Amino acid sequence: GAVVSQHPSWVICKSGTSVKIECRSLDFQATTMFWYRQFPKQSLMLMATSNEGSKATYEQGVEKDKFLINHASLTLSTLTVTSAHPEDSSFYICSARGFGLAGGPETQYFGPGTRLLVL
Amino acid sequence: QKEVEQNSGPLSVPEGAIASLNCTYSDRGSQSFFWYRQYSGKSPELIMSIYSNGDKEDGRFTAQLNKASQYVSLLIRDSQPSDSATYLCAVARAGNNRKLIWGLGTSLAVNP
Repeated sequence: GAVVSQHPSWVICKSGTSVKIECRSLDFQATTMFWYRQFPKQSLMLMATSNEGSKATYEQGVEKDKFLINHASLTLSTLTVTSAHPEDSSFYICSARGFGLAGGPETQYFGPGTRLLVL
Repeated sequence: QKEVEQNSGPLSVPEGAIASLNCTYSDRGSQSFFWYRQYSGKSPELIMSIYSNGDKEDGRFTAQLNKASQYVSLLIRDSQPSDSATYLCAVARAGNNRKLIWGLGTSLAVNP
């Protein structure tokens, strides 16, 4: 149980284009989804917290107009990197939590991540 | 002082030994504690959550929590080379959104 998927697993795009990443909870309803970014050999960095049907809460320093988050249903959240630039190249990982799961309501279950390379 | 602190390592243990990973946290109001494992190039995977003082065992893994000392640890018995990874400690902060506060991780190498 508590499976989270992400699509695509990797993407290469040209500078200036937009990229959408999907995060889905496959076997549970996710009350909250989180988006992280991780650069090589660095720790996880939380970008934003997303609750279904409401606006995402962004961490300090994260541009909400550049990283658009939509959480339209209890099983799907999307992250759109707008006007991507080479410095946006990173490993983007989503996580989700929900009720009734073995790990408890605060446990986050991670998707496999999306590698973004902006040329 | 960082909110969640871990020794970055690398911690090196021989195969079959017990690996001991430690984590301290600063927020006394924290109620939920987690250990995740992250292999190089992969996303984190949950090993265990712990909420009460004492020990919690799951297979070869034992989490230990001491709220008075603000300390949580993870023991890995009979360590295997496949346990070589970075181990992340996370603490749920009380309040809005209950997001996890992450340590920087401890790199573990289990040598055959």
